[in-house]
Amino acid sequence: GDSVTQMEGPVTLSEEAFLTINCTYTATGYPSLFWYVQYPGEGLQLLLKATKADDKGSNKGFEATYRKETTSFHLEKGSVQVSDSAVYFCARMNYGGSQGNLIFGKGTKLSVKP
Amino acid sequence: EAQVTQNPRYLITVTGKKLTVTCSQNMNHEYMSWYRQDPGLGLRQIYYSMNVEVTDKGDVPEGYKVSRKEKRNFPLILESPSPNQTSLYFCASFPGQGRAYEQYFGPGTRLTVT
Repeated sequence: GDSVTQMEGPVTLSEEAFLTINCTYTATGYPSLFWYVQYPGEGLQLLLKATKADDKGSNKGFEATYRKETTSFHLEKGSVQVSDSAVYFCARMNYGGSQGNLIFGKGTKLSVKP
Repeated sequence: EAQVTQNPRYLITVTGKKLTVTCSQNMNHEYMSWYRQDPGLGLRQIYYSMNVEVTDKGDVPEGYKVSRKEKRNFPLILESPSPNQTSLYFCASFPGQGRAYEQYFGPGTRLTVT
């Protein structure tokens, strides 16, 4: 079935380091792709999205580019801050999207040290 | 303020004792969903509802029931909880078909079944 695979964590970085969290998806159709962030004790929030190939989603200094050739949607940030410490989930729309089902990766925990 | 609320936030119960976790949204969203989040497994959809009196199974519906009698409310019912239902539960809502990326998540309910 459709799935999303993201790198396992935890990822620990120093403040101002470069961040990459890898995400790949199974290619059934051309699904919209998303990154969600979950801060400690909170629900998930949409961080960014891309709806078609070569689209770049961006928000709060984070970026991800929809790569159809490699079925990837890697999350990047040039300079992380302590406040970016959270769990990040890559997700794809279920085929057709009519069920409202987002297929999530397992999540990657990021810890940023001062 | 647009929000999804869940109650209770924390619940410890014993095997077989029926419980209900409430969920309410104030955005007049058509779609509502329940997810469970488990370490190493990410988020998995339990049930979803496309509108009042319209519900359907997600990926892991066994052991759960839902109802949607009012548009704003979508309670999750565990008729006979078991320890394998110990998890973190999230309710979510979004405006309508094709807009699953606009999901608002509740703060989560941490359930422990002993």
